[in-house]
Amino acid sequence: QSVLTQPPSASGTPGQRVTISCSGSSSNIGSNTVNWYQQLPGTAPKLLIYSNNQRPSGIPDRFSGSKSGTSASLAISGLQSEDEADYYCAAWDDSLNGVVFGGGTKLTVL
Amino acid sequence: QVQLQESGPGLVKPSQTLSLTCTVSGGSISSGGYYWSWIRQHPGKGLECIGYISYSGSTYYNPSLKSRVTMSEDTSKNQFSLKLSSVTAADTAVYYCARAPYRGGALDIWGQGTMVTVSS
Repeated sequence: QSVLTQPPSASGTPGQRVTISCSGSSSNIGSNTVNWYQQLPGTAPKLLIYSNNQRPSGIPDRFSGSKSGTSASLAISGLQSEDEADYYCAAWDDSLNGVVFGGGTKLTVL
Repeated sequence: QVQLQESGPGLVKPSQTLSLTCTVSGGSISSGGYYWSWIRQHPGKGLECIGYISYSGSTYYNPSLKSRVTMSEDTSKNQFSLKLSSVTAADTAVYYCARAPYRGGALDIWGQGTMVTVSS
């Protein structure tokens, strides 16, 4: 049982915009920034969004993040086949004194 | 650029201690104020943070694993390590090492991961 809650799956067709939600509590998302990771099949996770809405160098602006209260969202616009991957949200948890992750969302590009 | 590489046995017997090392290249583990972490992923499952060791040697462990985890660093070899004692089949997972720019920061660089199986 993950501390942060994500939908297990999401899907979209090429060119579409999809969003993935991440729900937490006052001890994690409510008081700390949210980060998003992309994990392509058989590879290590890669940082996709940090500090709620910042993109590391090299991440296309098709990817965007937002946060409101104890929830966060990842949006992917102009969906491409190579976006098919697992996506994880994460945040520091003040009560657990560590990083907590969502259970991951498997994105399928139809 | 900074790269991380995990190493260690791929097979550990139940009740024994799992030992992994992460070698950092392209940068020093004792400079920059970074936090060096271990993350694991059970087969087909999500990510779990095991803990961190800071640039100064301070450690933070996941409360659910705290009694069995020890992290350390060897600055002379530019490595940090994980020891997980009394392992069971439930510890079978891919283990990743990763870097965060500060405590609670995003994990911006990851190793490729190493699969550890606990089995007799």
